[in-house]
Amino acid sequence: AQSVTQPDIHITVSEGASLELRCNYSYGATPYLFWYVQSPGQGLQLLLKYFSGDTLVQGIKGFEAEFKRSQSSFNLRKPSVHWSDAAEYFCAVGTRNAGNMLTFGGGTRLMVKP
Amino acid sequence: EPEVTQTPSHQVTQMGQEVILRCVPISNHLYFYWYRQILGQKVEFLVSFYNNEISEKSEIFDDQFSVERPDGSNFTLKIRSTKLEDSAMYFCASSERQGTTDTQYFGPGTRLTVL
Repeated sequence: AQSVTQPDIHITVSEGASLELRCNYSYGATPYLFWYVQSPGQGLQLLLKYFSGDTLVQGIKGFEAEFKRSQSSFNLRKPSVHWSDAAEYFCAVGTRNAGNMLTFGGGTRLMVKP
Repeated sequence: EPEVTQTPSHQVTQMGQEVILRCVPISNHLYFYWYRQILGQKVEFLVSFYNNEISEKSEIFDDQFSVERPDGSNFTLKIRSTKLEDSAMYFCASSERQGTTDTQYFGPGTRLTVL
């Protein structure tokens, strides 16, 4: 069965600083990988996804993520964080079967210091 | 931009009561999902639904749960006899096509509180 681990429960960065959120997955086949963001009172919004091809994927709001098969990782990055990026971030892996189930990590709560 | 909507935003019920959570998926989407997130825990898959049938369900989705597409726009999750441990945020999602390359769009969630 697939699983996702986000080692950092909370991260605090200063506004303007760079950000990297870690995600490690376990899946027996080539994974489909996603990053979602959840702001307070909001649903889950897709930031970016990886299916195949270029291992560096660009997303919305200036985010990018890099798929590293050798490390089973899909870390999310942003070069300069804005206060509005404060939210909870979820990494997820998708399966290839008919159910299209997503398996989520536990999430990383990002706080941004002024 | 089209979005998934869910009602109510917050539902409070007594243990043993039936609840129905409602979702309106994006209009041209054909695949529908329910997930839940117990406070402080991971978002967990419950069920996926296509062509009026369940495609896949998790171990959580036992006989007290059911899903239905009662008309062309709504997608519902029914919990027949709620338990305290059913208290969670329930998210509905939809996607245009089947297949893991397609994006699932999530609604804002319904917070269910069972007393």
